[in-house]
Amino acid sequence: DQQVKQNSPSLSVQEGRISILNCDYTNSMFDYFLWYKKYPAEGPTFLISISSIKDKNEDGRFTVFLNKSAKHLSLHIVPSQPGDSAVYFCAFLNTDKLIFGTGTRLQVFP
Amino acid sequence: NAGVTQTPKFQVLKTGQSMTLQCAQDMNHEYMSWYRQDPGMGLRLIHYSVGAGITDQGEVPNGYNVSRSTTEDFPLRLLSAAPSQTSVYFCASSYSTGHQPQHFGDGTRLSIL
Repeated sequence: DQQVKQNSPSLSVQEGRISILNCDYTNSMFDYFLWYKKYPAEGPTFLISISSIKDKNEDGRFTVFLNKSAKHLSLHIVPSQPGDSAVYFCAFLNTDKLIFGTGTRLQVFP
Repeated sequence: NAGVTQTPKFQVLKTGQSMTLQCAQDMNHEYMSWYRQDPGMGLRLIHYSVGAGITDQGEVPNGYNVSRSTTEDFPLRLLSAAPSQTSVYFCASSYSTGHQPQHFGDGTRLSIL
């Protein structure tokens, strides 16, 4: 039973445009949500997070939105840059366990 | 500051062999964890530890053992390797539970023949 779903395995966006990555979850007990970015042959790196008491958090070009009623998390990157090309994982905190989604591969082309 | 160091980076084993994947961090982090990454499956939590002497199971613990005798080290043991354990393994650490962003190592690519 997969608690976290990233339904788009890949996304291709032109440089300068907005990238929107989505994540759906089923467990309403999650109270903290994170996004990680992963380049090939490297470990994931933390990108941005949001607490369940908020619905939006911004950090430069990255904004995370949380819709608790829809159990939906999204990451907006604007403007997208070629260096943003990577695999993005959403992750949810369930007590002491961090549960990851399956990942979305973002490609930003010139 | 080395962060999270995993060794080895690559390993090939035969079915039934045992091996230990090493993980060390120099950030005095209390929380450490092990994940495996498989195509289409994302990262799945194997085992985690909230401090020295304390370990607990994650989503996919079967076939793996861990121990946490020091704050710095969190080795992952495969007692009898199986082809289903072919994967990329990541170790991570953070100051406390998953609330703090976790710092990941660069992974160990393990193939079981």
